[in-house]
Order: sequence, then C-alpha cells, then structure tokens
Amino acid sequence: KAGVTQTPRYLIKTRGQQVTLSCSPISGHRSVSWYQQTPGQGLQFLFEYFSETQRNKGNFPGRFSGRQFSNSRSEMNVSTLELGDSALYLCASSLGGVEGEQYFGPGTRLTVT
Amino acid sequence: AQKVTQAQTEISVVEKEDVTLDCVYETRDTTYYLFWYKQPPSGELVFLIRRNSFDEQNEISGRYSWNFQKSTSSFNFTITASQVVDSAVYFCALRTDNAGNMLTFGGGTRLMVKP
Repeated sequence: KAGVTQTPRYLIKTRGQQVTLSCSPISGHRSVSWYQQTPGQGLQFLFEYFSETQRNKGNFPGRFSGRQFSNSRSEMNVSTLELGDSALYLCASSLGGVEGEQYFGPGTRLTVT
Repeated sequence: AQKVTQAQTEISVVEKEDVTLDCVYETRDTTYYLFWYKQPPSGELVFLIRRNSFDEQNEISGRYSWNFQKSTSSFNFTITASQVVDSAVYFCALRTDNAGNMLTFGGGTRLMVKP
C-alpha cells in the first residue's frame, strides 16, 4: 500500500506571494492533518480534515487555510507569505478514529525569501 | 490544555550502548493516547508506537521498549544495543479524546549514535 505523498517536496517563494501544498493520504484513510515544523516552535498542529469537513483547527492566522476533496486528497494554502512561514509542512493521514495512528508524509519544505 | 516535555534535547552514545529517551506529559483528560515517532534526516515522521491511557502494560519490540507510568505521567523509550541507524530525532506526542486527531508534540530528542 502506498504511503502518504506530498507535493511539491521543495518550494521557494517570495514574501507576499501565496502557495498551495498538496497531500494524498493512504488509500482508505479519510482524515488528513497538517503540521508545521520549525526549529523555533517545533511541530505545531494546523488543522484536520475528515470527509471534506474541517474537524479541528490549531492556533494559526487565517492566512493558513485548507480543504479536502471527495477522494480525501487535501490541499493547504498560505496567502501573503511571511518570512516566518518558512518551515517543513507535514501531512498525516489516518482512518479517522481517535484511537488510530497517524502516518506522515515526507513533507514540503517551504522557503520564503 | 495538554503539554509534552522531552527534557533531553540531544543525546550522544556509542554504538551498542543502551539509551533511554524521556517523555513527560500533562493532560486533564482521563482518556488519551501517547505516541513515539522517529524523524530521520529525510524528514518523514515514522510511527513507532501508540499507547492508550487505560493500558499501562509495557511493550517490547525488538531492541525497542516503552515504559508507561501514569503515576508519574511518563512514557519513556529505551533502545537497547543502539546502532548507528538509530540516529534521528525522536518525538513523543499526546492526543486526547477532546482534541480530535490533533497531536501535541514534545520538542524532540536528537539521538546521535557514534560507531
């Protein structure tokens, strides 16, 4: 069974631009969560989507948004990029129940210049 | 609110030594789940283990073992006879019933195993 895939793997953007990251979960998984990893703040939860609905949201500004499609693939969008948005963005998929494990993709490394 | 603390930011050992990574958690919820993940240099978080709050049984998987103690709110991870391939950053994480699928991570422990 294929794992979680994320595209692109690397991205360089300029301040003020916007960016869209994509995540394809493991087949059969309906929940997709997004995390931001930075050296200063560590791993922080952005949001979770389940069956195309946002089920949970972390403490990030409205510039960070996401969506999920009927095939469970998810996209994350960051508008008006700031230097501080430079990070590794990780996507995790799971079946959806709270007991289940979350499996992570390789991440998208975003650099904002 | 929940919190996970990994006091050891970096550990260096020589191959074949045993090493224990500490994890202390805080939550007011009575039902919760604890996890360990490994992050090699490639960046992907690799799932290692999940423990439920109502199951304090310790677990052993090959060279890996986990010690869950609710009395001290700790979930420690021991690698026996460490190998160079164990070099990575290890994260402890907590999820509670009230927070859906949100994982709260500790700051991570960087383990370096030298030959």
